[in-house]
Amino acid sequence: GAVVSQHPSRVICKSGTSVKIECRSLDFQATTMFWYRQFPKKSLMLMATSNEGSKATYEQGVEKDKFLINHASLTLSTLTVTSAHPEDSSFYICSAQENGYTFGSGTRLTVV
Amino acid sequence: GENVEQHPSTLSVQEGDSAVIKCTYSDSASNYFPWYKQELGKGPQLIIDIRSNVGEKKDQRIAVTLNKTAKHFSLHITETQPEDSAVYFCAARAFGNEKLTFGTGTRLTIIP
Repeated sequence: GAVVSQHPSRVICKSGTSVKIECRSLDFQATTMFWYRQFPKKSLMLMATSNEGSKATYEQGVEKDKFLINHASLTLSTLTVTSAHPEDSSFYICSAQENGYTFGSGTRLTVV
Repeated sequence: GENVEQHPSTLSVQEGDSAVIKCTYSDSASNYFPWYKQELGKGPQLIIDIRSNVGEKKDQRIAVTLNKTAKHFSLHITETQPEDSAVYFCAARAFGNEKLTFGTGTRLTIIP
């Protein structure tokens, strides 16, 4: 079946630095990928839709300049959290669509 | 936009008994309804899905039913086992829309 690989699984960074999260579709091409944020004991909140070769579409209230998304190939989308602050600490999950939607294993970001 | 409500938020079931989780959706144009299982610290995993042209779908101990008129769909797990303990999310997608809208989640605990 479809496999989505997400790295890193955990990352700790200092306030003010940037961190990049990668999402790869391993056995299929994904023209569209999705980035979610999940707070503890809460549901998944869609942040943006990543389209290969074009700009991402951000959901209302999501800062484009803070959460940079690049979808440069049909198998890779990246989310960069820029100038991270403690409030950006969260669980970030990507998803790619092939028939259904396959999710990555998530990235636990802690900003200290 | 689409709104998905999910009940109950927590559910405890004796091992071997059945568990039922219910979701309602608001957009009558929705045509795809997946269910995901999420274990602690991991991404959601698709366990079953149903499209609007089908009323019921079964896969071993798991079944999903869809009532388009009432705009609700349910997840049924029979002969529950301890490894079924997790958080379950329903979701809906409207025709012509790539985005999934998630329910608020149900924490299922199987009591040995």
